[in-house]
Amino acid sequence: QKEVEQNSGPLSVPEGAIASLNCTYSDRGSQSFFWYRQYSGKSPELIMFIYSNGDKEDGRFTAQLNKASQYVSLLIRDSQPSDSATYLCAVLLSGGSYIPTFGRGTSLIVHP
Amino acid sequence: EAGVAQSPRYKIIEKRQSVAFWCNPISGHATLYWYQQILGQGPKLLIQFQNNGVVDDSQLPKDRFSAERLKGVDSTLKIQPAKLEDSAVYLCASSLAPGQALGGYTFGSGTRLTVV
Repeated sequence: QKEVEQNSGPLSVPEGAIASLNCTYSDRGSQSFFWYRQYSGKSPELIMFIYSNGDKEDGRFTAQLNKASQYVSLLIRDSQPSDSATYLCAVLLSGGSYIPTFGRGTSLIVHP
Repeated sequence: EAGVAQSPRYKIIEKRQSVAFWCNPISGHATLYWYQQILGQGPKLLIQFQNNGVVDDSQLPKDRFSAERLKGVDSTLKIQPAKLEDSAVYLCASSLAPGQALGGYTFGSGTRLTVV
């Protein structure tokens, strides 16, 4: 069973719309969750992290965590073509390791 | 603050040849990680160093991959002999300490390896 699952996409949204990216994880004891953005040919960059149930907002980005249902999502409001990238979900699994386990990523395309 | 430096940027080799990648972490970062990212997949950890000691190398294919961080600063990852399935981007990341990874890593620009 894969530990961190994401739909590979692509997810296509029009400019100005809300993009919703989802991630599920299998380890119920996981505590920390990250969203990375990776442009084609570039390395991942951290855009959000969340520890507590509920929402965390940073500019146009909102991370939502639901530990009971074991999913974490990323909402991008007012999507721009420059948001077109692959979004990687990463989870710190329980057991004391500080090494995030990454999902395969969801490709987002924002078209004008 | 200078970022994580990696070289070379690209490398093309034939199968069964050897190759080495270099990484210089952010100054003062004690923890260094090597990841392998195959096209269409998320990064997979190969090895984690704390200073010059190995913390986790459980997913490193030790029959062909080796890594060292002799002086606790820069690191080298080697593949010998390379296989076609080793074609991937090799990412280096660093953090102040293992716990600091809770805030996310800083990744280098990566080395894209193509094995033909």
